Amino acid sequence: EIVLTQSPATLSLSPGERATLSCRASQSVGSSLAWYQQKPGQAPRLLIYDASNRATGIPARFSGGGSGTDFTLTISSLEPEDFAIYYCQQRSNWPPEYTFGQGTKLEIK
Amino acid sequence: QVQLVQSGAEVKKPGASVKVSCRASGYTFTTYAMHWVRQAPGQRLEWMGWIRAGNGNTKYSQKFQGRVTLTRDTSTNTVYMELSSLRSEDTAVYYCAPLLGGYFDYWGQGTLVTVSS
Repeated sequence: EIVLTQSPATLSLSPGERATLSCRASQSVGSSLAWYQQKPGQAPRLLIYDASNRATGIPARFSGGGSGTDFTLTISSLEPEDFAIYYCQQRSNWPPEYTFGQGTKLEIK
Repeated sequence: QVQLVQSGAEVKKPGASVKVSCRASGYTFTTYAMHWVRQAPGQRLEWMGWIRAGNGNTKYSQKFQGRVTLTRDTSTNTVYMELSSLRSEDTAVYYCAPLLGGYFDYWGQGTLVTVSS
């Protein structure tokens, strides 16, 4: 099973600052990686797929990068509504399974 | 628009089973697989398995193999997730999510299952 490790566990920043979140895979996943945002009491929301493509309706301040085992999610200038928990997720072709990282909590400083 | 409506919260005793439903609309139900993901309090999201809505084929995470059963009813566009031999660690919010574009871009509202004696 591919394990995803996110860092940092918690990131404390102020609105307007730049946020960089990391996700490392235990083995290469190519570009088959997504990022989700989750707010309390809500289902996750897809932000980025295939490592660098923004999902429909996602603001341009969100960008993803990386391939293989190291990935990043960048939020260029934090808005108040961006403070949430972020998860990375990979899909492997064989075995066809899906795993999530443990999450990074982005909190207001 | 894609909508996924799940059944309501459940409280179960250890050792019991629970069956959660997910009714889908807004897309061709039988074309795509429906996945189930759960989230225990304060924990990461955990993929449980999928069912191909067209032919009923299933694939389960090794962690849940033998305890989870996914079924579907194509007449009502509904998928069911049954989890047996419940224990306290199964207390979680259970989500259904169809894989329409390779990733989980639509999710049900979640169903809280509480396992408590």
